[in-house]
This record gives sequence, C-alpha cells and structure tokens, in this order.
Amino acid sequence: AQKVTQAQTEISVVEKEDVTLDCVYETRDTTYYLFWYKQPPSGELVFLIRRNSFDEQNEISGRYSWNFQKSTSSFNFTITASQVVDSAVYFCALSGAGAAGNKLTFGGGTRVLVKP
Amino acid sequence: ETGVTQTPRHLVMGMTNKKSLKCEQHLGHNAMYWYKQSAKKPLELMFVYSLEERVENNSVPSRFSPECPNSSHLFLHLHTLQPEDSALYLCASSPSREGYYEQYFGPGTRLTVT
Repeated sequence: AQKVTQAQTEISVVEKEDVTLDCVYETRDTTYYLFWYKQPPSGELVFLIRRNSFDEQNEISGRYSWNFQKSTSSFNFTITASQVVDSAVYFCALSGAGAAGNKLTFGGGTRVLVKP
Repeated sequence: ETGVTQTPRHLVMGMTNKKSLKCEQHLGHNAMYWYKQSAKKPLELMFVYSLEERVENNSVPSRFSPECPNSSHLFLHLHTLQPEDSALYLCASSPSREGYYEQYFGPGTRLTVT
C-alpha cells in the first residue's frame, strides 16, 4: 500500500522568510511519481511539480525548489522569500506507473500562513 | 470556460433530499475523478472514470452514485446522505489514467448535510 506523510500540519512565517515543507512517502513500486499541489482558499488544487522515481535531480522554479531523496523516501518543498500569496494548503501526492497508475495518494497537507 | 468547472459551488441539503453535483472539463482529457475532502481525513479518491467507463470505486457507499455520460462531463448523484458526508467534493481530470499525468482539479462543491 502507498502512504504519504506530511508531518507539519501548519507553518506560520513572516513574509520574506523561507519555509520548507516535508514529505515522506512509502511505496513498493519501483516506478512511481511524486507531485506537489497547492490549494489556495478558492478550493481548487493547482499542480506545481511532478518527479519520477528515476530522476533525483533537484528542481528550482522561481522561488520554489524541490529536494527529492530516494534514500530517505522524501520529497521536500521549499519556498524562498515567502509572500502573502503563498498562503495556502500544500499537498504532496504519490502515484504508481502504468495504465492504472493514476490513483493519487495524498498526504494530509500542510497549511502555510505567510504574514505581512 | 477553461479548465475544470463544478456546479454548484455550495449546496445545503437535508438527509432525505436528492441532489446532483456536476463537473465539466474543457481540456479534452479521457480520465475523470471524484474526490472527497473533509476536515478529518486526507483527500480521498472516490471514483475514477476512463473513457466514460467507471474503472474504480473506492468502497464508496451506494448513496453516492456517479455518472459519466461523455468524456467531458461527470456527475455525482446524492441521496439519503448523512451529516458525516458534509465535505468539499472535488472533481479532477487527466489526459489518461497513466500515473505520469498530473490531474487538473475544479474548485469543488462545498456540501453541507443537515
């Protein structure tokens, strides 16, 4: 069975501070995909990034960066120089490969509150 | 309209009512999903449709009845719900059921059962 754990339920920071969201996963699959989604107050989940299990390169997109470490089964997400617009709930998710692989297992989410 | 839309955005219903949630995707995707998001549990997958065929029912009670008349539309018919069914119901779509693809989500329907 697959499992995703986001140990931090809520993080509060002041604008311009960096914030790192932890994600630890469990799977028996050798090929799998990891995702991060953002859920702003409006409700819809917005896709941020996908990583496949064979690609451990870290990725940076603007103020966002991701650290994938297979050895520790972690896929952490850092927001650099946070802004008020970053306030949202962030979900880490895991899916398997193959034709029926698109069953996302979500973590419990981390609520990020960025104060001005 | 673009992306994934859901109507209504908010719904209050009694336990004896029958109502339906509607989802429409304008992305040309072949797979659609219903999720339930409640305060006490992580996002739970309810149903998966691929090319209008239901391919996954994640042990959902029969008081929830999905319908997918075509690849662009997905409904969730509700009847004799319980107060614990109050939640945000999210619809999503993806190009196919391959695990590689990200899912695109609608804004959800906030359901309150009284």
